[in-house]
Amino acid sequence: DAKTTQPNSMESNEEEPVHLPCNHSTISGTDYIHWYRQLPSQGPEYVIHGLTSNVNNRMASLAIAEDRKSSTLILHRATLRDAAVYYCLHTQGGSEKLVFGKGTKLTVNP
Amino acid sequence: ETGVTQTPRHLVMGMTNKKSLKCEQHLGHNAMYWYKQSAKKPLELMFVYSLEERVENNSVPSRFSPECPNSSHLFLHLHTLQPEDSALYLCASSQARGGGAKNIQYFGAGTRLSVL
Repeated sequence: DAKTTQPNSMESNEEEPVHLPCNHSTISGTDYIHWYRQLPSQGPEYVIHGLTSNVNNRMASLAIAEDRKSSTLILHRATLRDAAVYYCLHTQGGSEKLVFGKGTKLTVNP
Repeated sequence: ETGVTQTPRHLVMGMTNKKSLKCEQHLGHNAMYWYKQSAKKPLELMFVYSLEERVENNSVPSRFSPECPNSSHLFLHLHTLQPEDSALYLCASSQARGGGAKNIQYFGAGTRLSVL
């Protein structure tokens, strides 16, 4: 199974940027990197995905290292509603299978 | 609202009961998934259906029986469960199998199951 490594927890202050790191050293050339988040009492929610180039959407930015063995999810201005568990995953060889790890619990302080 | 609806939201059942969890998606997706999330454990993929055909069964005990009558509906039939089966059961759907944008999964809010 594809494995990723993330810090167990991180803290941020409201309206400050947050950089959530992820190591995925076993990733292969065709695997996409996905980020999801899970707010309390909800199912996971898609945040962003990418293959090689950095990506931006309305929720966040994804910075992918040149060797693709790590990536960083960037929340440009954290809000209290961004407090959640953030999961970094990668698909395996075109498979639909997403393997979730324990993720990073993000706390946002007012 | 993700477009994936799960019912019921909460379920309490005894070990001898038979119950079913229902998942419905109105996104026009062709792949559907069941996940289990136990306390303090990562999400575990249970079953994958693609075009109503089961394509993956991750060594799930037979007391869990999935059913996908059409691409919009997915059921998880439960019988003779154990207390350790108490967990949040999540349903998800995606446009298709495969990597990238086709595999963006949309999750329901889950069914919180307690087995007494």
